[in-house]
Amino acid sequence: TQLLEQSPQFLSIQEGENLTVYCNSSSVFSSLQWYRQEPGEGPVLLVTVVTGGEVKKLKRLTFQFGDARKDSSLHITAAQPGDTGLYLCAGAKITGTASKLTFGTGTRLQVTL
Amino acid sequence: NAGVTQTPKFRVLKTGQSMTLLCAQDMNHEYMYWYRQDPGMGLRLIHYSVGEGTTAKGEVPDGYNVSRLKKQNFLLGLESAAPSQTSVYFCASSFGAASWRTDTQYFGPGTRLTVL
Repeated sequence: TQLLEQSPQFLSIQEGENLTVYCNSSSVFSSLQWYRQEPGEGPVLLVTVVTGGEVKKLKRLTFQFGDARKDSSLHITAAQPGDTGLYLCAGAKITGTASKLTFGTGTRLQVTL
Repeated sequence: NAGVTQTPKFRVLKTGQSMTLLCAQDMNHEYMYWYRQDPGMGLRLIHYSVGEGTTAKGEVPDGYNVSRLKKQNFLLGLESAAPSQTSVYFCASSFGAASWRTDTQYFGPGTRLTVL
């Protein structure tokens, strides 16, 4: 069962444009992480948001955790070709002795010149 | 530091064959994980381990077995491969720290497995 839905699935934009990726769930998570994955490589963590309503900025990337800790968004300002990749959100739940991640379906972003 | 490494990078199997994927980490992490990644489905947890000698089932454990005999290694086995197990497999590790909510998983480069 896929608990985290991302939208859009694919996004092709030109350099300089802004974009927002959404990550939605009906479940509450302890925290939410965003990863970026490039072809032939594993996902790399970008940010972790923990508190409902929390906003974190990483250069041109802004991440927000929903007030109810069920959803999140990633906003990129003035996209660059180097932002191209697969963006994955992942919600963390603590079960027993482990914090397990449930990954979203992914958003594939392509930024062209 | 090499981080998380996976062996092999690519493999083609025939239905019914068996194989073992090896994951190694040099970060002294307690927790290790095996995921599979399929188009449009993100990553799904197969099995995980919270320490040497321990393993637990994840979301999609059927058809796979794991072992964690040494802290730095986590093995994923397919006893009788099926075409449905064609996927990209990722291993990850983390400290499994006291601050559960911010525990960071570090991923290996993946193994692309095709079962014919």
